Amino acid sequence: AQSVSQHNHHVILSEAASLELGCNYSYGGTVNLFWYVQYPGQHLQLLLKYFSGDPLVKGIKGFEAEFIKSKFSFNLRKPSVQWSDTAEYFCAVTQNQGGKLIFGQGTELSVKP
Amino acid sequence: DTAVSQTPKYLVTQMGNDKSIKCEQNLGHDTMYWYKQDSKKFLKIMFSYNNKELIINETVPNRFSPKSPDKAHLNLHINSLELGDSAVYFCASSQEGQGSNQPQHFGDGTRLSIL
Repeated sequence: AQSVSQHNHHVILSEAASLELGCNYSYGGTVNLFWYVQYPGQHLQLLLKYFSGDPLVKGIKGFEAEFIKSKFSFNLRKPSVQWSDTAEYFCAVTQNQGGKLIFGQGTELSVKP
Repeated sequence: DTAVSQTPKYLVTQMGNDKSIKCEQNLGHDTMYWYKQDSKKFLKIMFSYNNKELIINETVPNRFSPKSPDKAHLNLHINSLELGDSAVYFCASSQEGQGSNQPQHFGDGTRLSIL
């Protein structure tokens, strides 16, 4: 069965530190990849998505992610985090032809001011 | 001008009761979804409707029954509530169905607490 794995359950960083959150998926076919963010007490919002083209995608708020097909990975990065980036981050995958949107288990990011 | 709106935001009720959560989207999307987020923040799809037709029905107890009166609304009715139903329920919508590259837009969630 298709699955999504986020390696880090809880990441704690100081402001201005660089961030990389890991995401791996298990499906071997063509996929669409998403990163969503959930700020405390709020709904999920789309950060960025990849479905074709340049494997390095840029999203909102300075986030970017790189799709590496050979590694089945779609890691999220930000060069310098801010306190306001404190949130839960979800990687999600859907198959290009049908199939459900499968979420990873989420990574909680805490940024210390 | 909230895109996906759910009501109520909080729902506290006793075991055995029947309750409904309403969801409306004003984005003109064809597909709507219900997700359950457990205490560990894990998100899992429950149902998906496309143009009022059920297209995804995960292994959810029969006590959960979605209803879509039109493509802008997808309500969730839960019978005989159990302690394990305590969770945050998110409604979402997208322009195309599952498997597309269109992102889903989420509501603010309904926090259901069973006493």
